[in-house]
Amino acid sequence: KNEVEQSPQNLTAQEGEFITINCSYSVGISALHWLQQHPGGGIVSLFMLSSGKKKHGRLIATINIQEKHSSLHITASHPRDSAVYICAVLAYNTDKLIFGTGTRLQVFP
Amino acid sequence: DTAVSQTPKYLVTQMGNDKSIKCEQNLGHDTMYWYKQDSKKFLKIMFSYNNKELIINETVPNRFSPKSPDKAHLNLHINSLELGDSAVYFCASSRHTYRDRVTEAFFGQGTRLTVV
Repeated sequence: KNEVEQSPQNLTAQEGEFITINCSYSVGISALHWLQQHPGGGIVSLFMLSSGKKKHGRLIATINIQEKHSSLHITASHPRDSAVYICAVLAYNTDKLIFGTGTRLQVFP
Repeated sequence: DTAVSQTPKYLVTQMGNDKSIKCEQNLGHDTMYWYKQDSKKFLKIMFSYNNKELIINETVPNRFSPKSPDKAHLNLHINSLELGDSAVYFCASSRHTYRDRVTEAFFGQGTRLTVV
């Protein structure tokens, strides 16, 4: 079993829908990253958080350290949001990022 | 200006060859990483360098050897390439090691290596 699990694996939505991607992890962490991998392959860091909630434009990331769970929300989704979203945790007391398997999101017009 | 740049973007080579992938960052970061993304898109850390010193070396075959000539560069050299080495390799950097202070990671565009 992977130390970082994401759900769903695949997600399709209509433009304008509210999207939620979940991430659960089983190790102690110092921080959690949400990454976006574009269809072309490049990876962009969206958020890094260790508690609470962060917002950037239409993206919101939350984390509950006690429950070992994080969510990435996209409000008013758009076709350009179509990408793979990857959750990665920084295992406590290490320099290693442990990645989830990713969630492939497709937003249709 | 590209923050983390990798070259080449695509690399097709025959089994048994030796090849290198270069990575450079112009962010002034102290720490650089190599990650491998397999055919199932799963990312896994391979190496990490902080101030030219190796700090993470996962269970990677000895055929893979990272080299950091200075803080801004971390190259990946692969000897005797095998079919199973085909993957996308990502370089990344962060300002500090995660242990010193948790900082955001910046990724390169990836190098798609195909071994035939």
